[in-house]
Amino acid sequence: QKEVEQNSGPLSVPEGAIASLNCTYSDRVSQSFFWYRQYSGKSPELIMSIYSNGDKEDGRFTAQLNKASQYVSLLIRDSQPSDSATYLCAVNTMNRDDKIIFGKGTRLHILP
Amino acid sequence: GAGVSQSPSNKVTEKGKDVELRCDPISGHTALYWYRQSLGQGLEFLIYFQGNSAPDKSGLPSDRFSAERTGGSVSTLTIQRTQQEDSAVYLCASSLKALSEKLFFGSGTQLSVL
Repeated sequence: QKEVEQNSGPLSVPEGAIASLNCTYSDRVSQSFFWYRQYSGKSPELIMSIYSNGDKEDGRFTAQLNKASQYVSLLIRDSQPSDSATYLCAVNTMNRDDKIIFGKGTRLHILP
Repeated sequence: GAGVSQSPSNKVTEKGKDVELRCDPISGHTALYWYRQSLGQGLEFLIYFQGNSAPDKSGLPSDRFSAERTGGSVSTLTIQRTQQEDSAVYLCASSLKALSEKLFFGSGTQLSVL
């Protein structure tokens, strides 16, 4: 089982709609969870971090964490064409050593 | 410098040659990561340095890969006897401390092995 799993997409969402991105992780003792956005040809940039169960909102972005289900999601409200990018889920894993591991990313395409 | 600096930005080499990739993290950042990203793929963990602790090398794909971090600052990733499958973007990231902190990424080194 891969440590961090994401649907590779592409996920196509009409402009103005809600985009929902999902991620599952395998290490039950993970404590830190991140969503990074990566535009084509650019480096990843952090958009959300979450550490406890529940929802965390920041502007149009909401991160959701359910440790019992080992599930993290990112909701983007009022999607804009500028949100079109690859979204990478990252988790700290205690496997061997504590470090940050990334999923393969979900490509999001916002349809104008 | 203001951000994580990587050099060179592009490297073209012939199969079998050795290459060195450099990463200069943000001053004061104790954690440093190397990741590899093949075209259209996610970030593959390679190696992690945290302070003066022994590095976590569990992601290095073969013994042709090695990395060091001198004086807790600059890091060099060395690939010996390069193969075509080594072609990828090599990304370096640093953070103020481990785990719960935001990773700051460099612009990466695009390695092409002919």
